[in-house]
Amino acid sequence: ETGVTQTPRHLVMGMTNKKSLKCEQHLGHNAMYWYKQSAKKPLELMFVYSLEERVENNSVPSRFSPECPNSSHLFLHLHTLQPEDSALYLCASSQEISRGRGAFEQFFGPGTRLTVL
Amino acid sequence: AQSVTQLGSHVSVSEGALVLLRCNYSSSVPPYLFWYVQYPNQGLQLLLKYTTGATLVKGINGFEAEFKKSETSFHLTKPSAHMSDAAEYFCAVSEALRSNDYKLSFGAGTTVTVRA
Repeated sequence: ETGVTQTPRHLVMGMTNKKSLKCEQHLGHNAMYWYKQSAKKPLELMFVYSLEERVENNSVPSRFSPECPNSSHLFLHLHTLQPEDSALYLCASSQEISRGRGAFEQFFGPGTRLTVL
Repeated sequence: AQSVTQLGSHVSVSEGALVLLRCNYSSSVPPYLFWYVQYPNQGLQLLLKYTTGATLVKGINGFEAEFKKSETSFHLTKPSAHMSDAAEYFCAVSEALRSNDYKLSFGAGTTVTVRA
């Protein structure tokens, strides 16, 4: 595997289910991100981990719970979601974000298309 | 805080015609600027970026963008559109999270369709 991978690619869940999204990066990066992409809206940054420490929680509801066990893996645990949470969830990684004033590009995975019924 | 405005949510061009996608930003410090492209059912891919130095930046697939500080703009162009350029394009600016950490703030995106 190369780059950033995400599983599953598609997920349909009920509002009472618990599921997890997985992201893995094979680029040796130290920062990882979760984004939510909804139709007709700008990309919303949800969480940022730098050196496995969460540095941003962008007012995301507690029904979304991130986990970063190491610099290569990032999870997004989902529980009791709402239909408005249906979206494409993108994971990204980059070199350490505390250096270079943010000049490093982010590498994105293909996303998980989530549908909440 | 920085912000990004992309003028026009949808652009339609003929194959072989000029592609022009507009991006304006607001920033209190010299910005780092990016253009990303998203093809259907894929993640975002970097087209080009401006950090320092030459204000005309060349990217992949024949795209280029010019940083104009006086106009706070970073418009993306391609002289001759190809059918494969049909995608969604995002402009982004690097923004400080806290003292030393940075994130990207994205525009709302512009969808490009190419007519044969």
